[in-house]
Amino acid sequence: QSALTQPASVSGSPGQSITISCSGTNADIGAYDYVSWYQTHPGKAPKVMIYDVRKRPSGVSIRFSGSKAVNTASLTISGLHPEDEGDYYCSSYTTSNTWVFGGGTKLTVL
Amino acid sequence: QVQLEESGPGLVKPPQTLSLTCTVSGDSVISDSYYWSWIRKPAGKGLEWIGRVYTSGSTSYNPFLKSRATISMAPSKNQFSLEMTSVTAADTAVYYCARSDISVSWFFDFWGPGTLVTVSS
Repeated sequence: QSALTQPASVSGSPGQSITISCSGTNADIGAYDYVSWYQTHPGKAPKVMIYDVRKRPSGVSIRFSGSKAVNTASLTISGLHPEDEGDYYCSSYTTSNTWVFGGGTKLTVL
Repeated sequence: QVQLEESGPGLVKPPQTLSLTCTVSGDSVISDSYYWSWIRKPAGKGLEWIGRVYTSGSTSYNPFLKSRATISMAPSKNQFSLEMTSVTAADTAVYYCARSDISVSWFFDFWGPGTLVTVSS
């Protein structure tokens, strides 16, 4: 299974919105609505921000939203805050009953 | 609140076997609601799912690891473990254990803080 494809980096100013894309295949993203997104910071455990394409776990800001079209998923963060800076990874459950992650996107809040 | 914590040697010589343990508190590893996974992040690279174990003992692995990984449970200790054979420098990474509540969906809701494993002679 190949990794999902994400842009290496995105940036935005406080208050702006950004979108991170995540491209896969019909064996992963296109097969199920089991796409999730994780925020990571050095030395800390990854935190799930979105699951099942667009659902937010309790405690995650409504500024985070997700969507999917065919084999590509997207994470949108609106009204950027400085603390949103970090690395973001998409993940999908696959038709082989395994999981696959994206290569990660570094978000910089300018 | 469930908590996970990884433990094991921080340095492994090639081509020895890497052994890590994840200790779970606040929940039971033998619950039929959960999958327990190992995930790693090499420096400068993305997250990579290694494999998972279920209460029945069933396992599933990332085919890219070419059968080098084995994940098992120790229910009496509320732990699960990873063994990876024939390690090389490419296996140097931060290793995480994580839980999936399959009664909800297919994602990782709780993670350990991670442990750095360096493969070097």
